[in-house]
Amino acid sequence: QKEVEQDPGPLSVPEGAIVSLNCTYSNSAFQYFMWYRQYSRKGPELLMYTYSSGNKEDGRFTAQVDKSSKYISLFIRDSQPSDSATYLCAMSGASGGSYIPTFGRGTSLIVHP
Amino acid sequence: DVKVTQSSRYLVKRTGEKVFLECVQDMDHENMFWYRQDPGLGLRLIYFSYDVKMKEKGDIPEGYSVSREKKERFSLILESASTNQTSMYLCASTGVRGSSSYNEQFFGPGTRLTVL
Repeated sequence: QKEVEQDPGPLSVPEGAIVSLNCTYSNSAFQYFMWYRQYSRKGPELLMYTYSSGNKEDGRFTAQVDKSSKYISLFIRDSQPSDSATYLCAMSGASGGSYIPTFGRGTSLIVHP
Repeated sequence: DVKVTQSSRYLVKRTGEKVFLECVQDMDHENMFWYRQDPGLGLRLIYFSYDVKMKEKGDIPEGYSVSREKKERFSLILESASTNQTSMYLCASTGVRGSSSYNEQFFGPGTRLTVL
């Protein structure tokens, strides 16, 4: 079993839908939980990060962490065609400069007009 | 703004050739990484470096080597390219953005390498 599991999709939704992207993990030492967004033919870019459990909101995006269930989610409200991308979850036990995150395989999201 | 650049966006090489992929970051980051990304497999770490002339193996170092002669530059070398090394190669460096206390990975745009 991989340390981080993420459904690759693709997930296809109509514009305006609420999108839920999820990852599960097995390593209870993970403390930092990240979501990266990767547009086609580009490198990933950090979208949000959360430390430990709880929610974090940034505009239309909400990240949730449930450490008891080892489950993290990214919600996108009022999804737009410009949100079409691959979303990678990532996790690490620390945030030092030498930390190495463990990535999920990524979920491909398609928002159609 | 942090910038990580990679020498080529697309590269086509023949089996057995020696291939150099270059990565440069302009934020004085100490830590740099090389990943490959394949459909269904996600990001896999090849090598990383904590400092000049330092290198550590990642999860899939076989068939690759690296060089870090200067802090800003991290090179990935395919000693003898093979068709199973056809992939997207991503370089990253780690640092903080603005006033954040969180060390994030900044990725380059990637090099899509095809080995024929």
